Amino acid sequence: DTGVSQDPRHKITKRGQNVTFRCDPISEHNRLYWYRQTLGQGPEFLTYFQNEAQLEKSRLLSDRFSAERPKGSFSTLEIQRTEQGDSAMYLCASTGGLNTEAFFGQGTRLTVV
Amino acid sequence: GQQVMQIPQYQHVQEGEDFTTYCNSSTTLSNIQWYKQRPGGHPVFLIQLVKSGEVKKQKRLTFQFGEAKKNSSLHITATQTTDVGTYFCAGPRGGTSYGKLTFGQGTILTVHP
Repeated sequence: DTGVSQDPRHKITKRGQNVTFRCDPISEHNRLYWYRQTLGQGPEFLTYFQNEAQLEKSRLLSDRFSAERPKGSFSTLEIQRTEQGDSAMYLCASTGGLNTEAFFGQGTRLTVV
Repeated sequence: GQQVMQIPQYQHVQEGEDFTTYCNSSTTLSNIQWYKQRPGGHPVFLIQLVKSGEVKKQKRLTFQFGEAKKNSSLHITATQTTDVGTYFCAGPRGGTSYGKLTFGQGTILTVHP
């Protein structure tokens, strides 16, 4: 196991385009989280999955954002009609069992121009 | 909503000096976690504190959880250049999933050799 992996690591897109990010959690972890981090701030919670069920969405997750975890393994985060304010690092994390430690991926840095 | 605040925002020290960052929550926490993020990296779990007044040590790092379970601190003795990074505290957002966290804004530590 190589930890949580995210793809791509960097994405530059034009305003108005759609983007999709992928997260592969640690294989035995059933819980997966998406966070957004802007410069100089701590990660902000976006949404959470337990297996394939999306159990919570933050108010930060506007209608342009959608996340899926179709088979309870990898997850995707899609942003439609990107805006410059969407520019940030998008982090994925996973936990499993009684483990309280959240393992974060390297993140996808999105730049909207 | 729940707020987690950290001070100071920045700390510059000479190698060998001590460093402390403080974390305060607007609500009582069931537990508090600390993460470290190296420049250009992702958050990495350091420790979790659960009990009121708990003190835990990891080599040169000492973590404390306040008696009221609303504040916490991280103290590093005799800093080294490898300690450089941003230190975040994080409290659970509620429910039973430890990965749903509210992060403080972090304290950026720079160490001058």
